[in-house]
Amino acid sequence: AQKVTQAQTEISVVEKEDVTLDCVYETRDTTYYLFWYKQPPSGELVFLIRRNSFDEQNEISGRYSWNFQKSTSSFNFTITASQVVDSAVYFCALSDGTGNQFYFGTGTSLTVIP
Amino acid sequence: DAGVTQSPTHLIKTRGQQVTLRCSPKSGHDTVSWYQQALGQGPQFIFQYYEEEERQRGNFPDRFSGHQFPNYSSELNVNALLLGDSALYLCASSNDREYTDTQYFGPGTRLTVL
Repeated sequence: AQKVTQAQTEISVVEKEDVTLDCVYETRDTTYYLFWYKQPPSGELVFLIRRNSFDEQNEISGRYSWNFQKSTSSFNFTITASQVVDSAVYFCALSDGTGNQFYFGTGTSLTVIP
Repeated sequence: DAGVTQSPTHLIKTRGQQVTLRCSPKSGHDTVSWYQQALGQGPQFIFQYYEEEERQRGNFPDRFSGHQFPNYSSELNVNALLLGDSALYLCASSNDREYTDTQYFGPGTRLTVL
C-alpha cells in the first residue's frame, strides 16, 4: 500500500530562517514519483517539484531545495531564508508508475513570522 | 494559458440533496482527477477520468459519480449528501500522453452540507 507521512503538523519560523519539511513515504513499487505541492490560504494546490524513483539527485530552485533519499524513503524539502510569502500548507505526494492516483500526506502548515 | 477552473466556488446544501461540481482542465490536458479534502487533511483521491470513462477509483461510495465530456471537462456528482461530505473538492488535470504527468490543480469548490 502507498502511504505518505508528514510528521510535522505545524512549524513556525522567523523570517530569514531556514526550515526543512519532512516527508517519509511507503511503497512496494520500484517505479514511483514524488511531489511537493504548496497550498496557500486561497486553497489552490501549487505544484513545486516532481522526482522519479530513479533520480536521487538533489535539486535546488532558488530558495527551495529537495533531498531525496531512497535508503530512508524520505523526500525532504528545505526553504532557505524563509519569507512571509512562504506561509502555507505544504503537501508531499506519491504516485505509482501509472501516475493515475496521487497519495497525499496530511500536510505541514508553515508560518513565517515577520 | 488558462489553468484548471472549477465552479462554483462555494456551495451550501442540506442533507439528502444532490450536488454537481464542474471542472475545466488546463489547456492541452485530457485527463481529469477529483479529490476530496476535509478540513486539516490532505486530498483524498475520488476518481480519474480519461477518454470519457472512469479509469481509476479511490475508496469512495457509489454516491460519488462523475462524467467527462468530449471537450475533456468533467463533472462530479454527489447524491444523498451527508454532513461528512462537507469538504473542499479539488479537480486536477494532466496530460495522458506524457507518462505520469504532473497533476495541476484548480482552486476547488468548497461544499458545506447542513
